[in-house]
Amino acid sequence: NAGVTQTPKFQVLKTGQSMTLQCAQDMNHEYMSWYRQDPGMGLRLIHYSVGAGITDQGEVPNGYNVSRSTTEDFPLRLLSAAPSQTSVYFCASNPAGGAYEQYFGPGTRLTVT
Amino acid sequence: KNEVEQSPQNLTAQEGEFITINCSYSVGISALHWLQQHPGGGIVSLFMLSSGKKKHGRLIATINIQEKHSSLHITASHPRDSAVYICAVIPYMDSNYQLIWGAGTKLIIKP
Repeated sequence: NAGVTQTPKFQVLKTGQSMTLQCAQDMNHEYMSWYRQDPGMGLRLIHYSVGAGITDQGEVPNGYNVSRSTTEDFPLRLLSAAPSQTSVYFCASNPAGGAYEQYFGPGTRLTVT
Repeated sequence: KNEVEQSPQNLTAQEGEFITINCSYSVGISALHWLQQHPGGGIVSLFMLSSGKKKHGRLIATINIQEKHSSLHITASHPRDSAVYICAVIPYMDSNYQLIWGAGTKLIIKP
């Protein structure tokens, strides 16, 4: 199993550009989440999904969109990048919620200039 | 006030020392996670516990639900233990089981 994969590993965007961060898992997990990690702060939840076709907002959803058309894939779209979105982004999955072991992707380091 | 507080924020120790990292939380929880983030950035799950104690190799995690406190201990610490250790809790009444995250404790073990 590849586990949770994320692409790209690094990305530099100019303010106003859009892009999609890709996330895929091959463990047939129902729950998938996107987090951002900023220096000195805990992981903050952007969006999450409890199954294909079902998504919901987390703590910091503004400026981001998600969709979940398959169990495997959970892309995160930045609509119009802003310097405040410079961060490290992690995708995570688990079988059915927080009471299960969490599996993380390797992260995407995004810089917005 | 953060709902999950970790202490210390930073810890530097010599190889072989016994390490304790603390996690306190203010909400009722159903379980608590300890995770490790390597210097390269990857995050791996170490423990999930809802009561008592769990042990894996040189790592021991304990939790006291009444006192809303958990500790992660590392015995015979080694430079490869250098990492950020993160505590996360599952609020008791959260139907979607979303985690509340601590800010992490950065541990450096010197040879």
